[in-house]
Amino acid sequence: GAGVSQSPRYKVAKRGQDVALRCDPISGHVSLFWYQQALGQGPEFLTYFQNEAQLDKSGLPSDRFFAERPEGSVSTLKIQRTQKEDSAVYLCASSLRGPTEAFFGQGTRLTVV
Amino acid sequence: AQKITQTQPGMFVQEKEAVTLDCTYDTSDQSYGLFWYKQPSSGEMIFLIYQGSYDEQNATEGRYSLNFQKARKSANLVISASQLGDSAMYFCAMRDTHNTDKLIFGTGTRLQVFP
Repeated sequence: GAGVSQSPRYKVAKRGQDVALRCDPISGHVSLFWYQQALGQGPEFLTYFQNEAQLDKSGLPSDRFFAERPEGSVSTLKIQRTQKEDSAVYLCASSLRGPTEAFFGQGTRLTVV
Repeated sequence: AQKITQTQPGMFVQEKEAVTLDCTYDTSDQSYGLFWYKQPSSGEMIFLIYQGSYDEQNATEGRYSLNFQKARKSANLVISASQLGDSAMYFCAMRDTHNTDKLIFGTGTRLQVFP
């Protein structure tokens, strides 16, 4: 595709529900990143994939957060048993190499009520 | 720990004027990279400019330039000839050299350009 595509753009979940956020990176980009951006804050790193391998998941805030990229292209960020503090914008980025030339999607705004 | 500080929550500038957005960083590493991103209301992060710690000259990209002062650990973004479309959030970020794939962001500065 022309850019990084994320879906849905907006998601409202009841506390305790599971959610799945999708990221379609730019075709051919081997690196994929997930970031969490709370209201009024800068993005915080969650996890990084190189092709299908998850090389860094140090930013995932709890074991309720899980990310996968099974075929090295589309990635899904799953949040189980959502809590109010999970409310944020989740940004996905992809690049050919490292974060220097990373292209970001428009994000998914998650609101947990 | 590496850290980015942006002390200006908001800035106003008149169209066609220049504006400087401040960024200071903290790192004990000698090799690092500094970035500026723009985030319009649509939400995506748009890469603007990059400065490597060993680059001797300040980076420039069109109307954007980075005023890099290594001894002061500052990397201010200068936007010349501001346009109404420059109104957005601006984030300074540092590449984590201990984990070279990760970017560490500041809290951002909201720039508003008025006619």
